[in-house]
Order: sequence, then C-alpha cells, then structure tokens
Amino acid sequence: GIQVEQSPPDLILQEGANSTLRCNFSDSVNNLQWFHQNPWGQLINLFYIPSGTKQNGRLSATTVATERYSLLYISSSQTTDSGVYFCAVGRRNTGKLIFGQGTTLQVKP
Amino acid sequence: EAQVTQNPRYLITVTGKKLTVTCSQNMNHEYMSWYRQDPGLGLRQIYYSMNVEVTDKGDVPEGYKVSRKEKRNFPLILESPSPNQTSLYFCASSPESPFFSGNTIYFGEGSWLTVV
Repeated sequence: GIQVEQSPPDLILQEGANSTLRCNFSDSVNNLQWFHQNPWGQLINLFYIPSGTKQNGRLSATTVATERYSLLYISSSQTTDSGVYFCAVGRRNTGKLIFGQGTTLQVKP
Repeated sequence: EAQVTQNPRYLITVTGKKLTVTCSQNMNHEYMSWYRQDPGLGLRQIYYSMNVEVTDKGDVPEGYKVSRKEKRNFPLILESPSPNQTSLYFCASSPESPFFSGNTIYFGEGSWLTVV
C-alpha cells in the first residue's frame, strides 16, 4: 500500500517564526489533505490539495504530485498553531484514507 | 450545528466484554469512517462506508465490526476486546468519499478506550 512519511516528527518554534512541514508519499495519489489536531484532540481539515498551491490566511500548502510530496507552510506562527499536523492521501473512487504519522508542533510565547 | 457525535467518550472495559462505540452525524453525509490513533502511528483507518449497507475494510480491520443500516449512524463493534485495542478512536463523515471534489471531512471528538 501507499506509504506516507512526514517530517520533521517534532518542531518547536518561537511565536512569530515561520515553518515548513513536509509530506512524502510512495505512490501516485489523486488526492491529498492536510489536517490539524489541536492540543484537545480535535481534528480539523486545513486543505484539500491534490496538486498546486492554496493559501488560507497564514497557512499555505503546495503539492507536487509528480514528485510525490506536499508542503505545509505556517507563517508568523502563533501559540494556537500548536498541535499535530497530519497529511493524508488516497486514490479517487475509494474510501481509503492513509495518514502520515504527523508532525507535532509546539509554538512558544 | 453540523456534528459528528461519538459515545462513549471515555471507557475502561475488560478483555472479552463486547462493546459498541456509537457514531452519529446530522449532516446527511453518505461517507463515514472509523480511525484509531496510536502514538507514533498517526491515524489508521479501520472501516469505512460509502453509503447505507456499503462498508469496506480499511488498513486495520481485525477485531472490529461495523454496520451501516441507516445513513446517520455508523457504530463500531468490538466483539471481544483485547488490550491491543486500547486506543483513541475517531469517527468521521463527509458528503461523499473525501476524494470527490475535496469534500470537508468532519471528525467526532474521539473516544478513549482502555481494555484491561
């Protein structure tokens, strides 16, 4: 099956810093999504981004499907950005969703 | 309010005692799915359902059963729980398969299950 690897596994930032999280996947996928799990365990969709670039406020994401990776950029980080960031991939016409192990981000004030 | 509701949120049970974790969504979504989250492993899909009476295995279905008799409910059944099923469980729903047009996936708040 498809393997998904995220890096780095852990990241500590000072408030205001920028960061880049990476998601590599082992096979061609039709679709990719990024999620944020806050410190209370709640999971939220961030981006649906099978290819190209999207931006939402201080967050942006880029997927290069031909090279099998995606990047999540966090600019001017805030303490509320802390938590775990997951990417998940899948193929069209299936309900299977494969998550990476996540990147745990801690933003210090 | 759009919601995915799981119950119970916290449960300690004993090996072999059958239990059911309920999941209900109020958004008329076709797609529902169960995941377990374990440290260092991310979320792993247990089962999913593309519509009523249509279910399929995810990556870690062993020891679990599901049913989808009506659109809003997707219970997860542990017929004979074992300690290796101690985990945090999430239910999720989406209007269709999450890979049709980038539908938003809504997650429940999670159910902490401990099997002793």
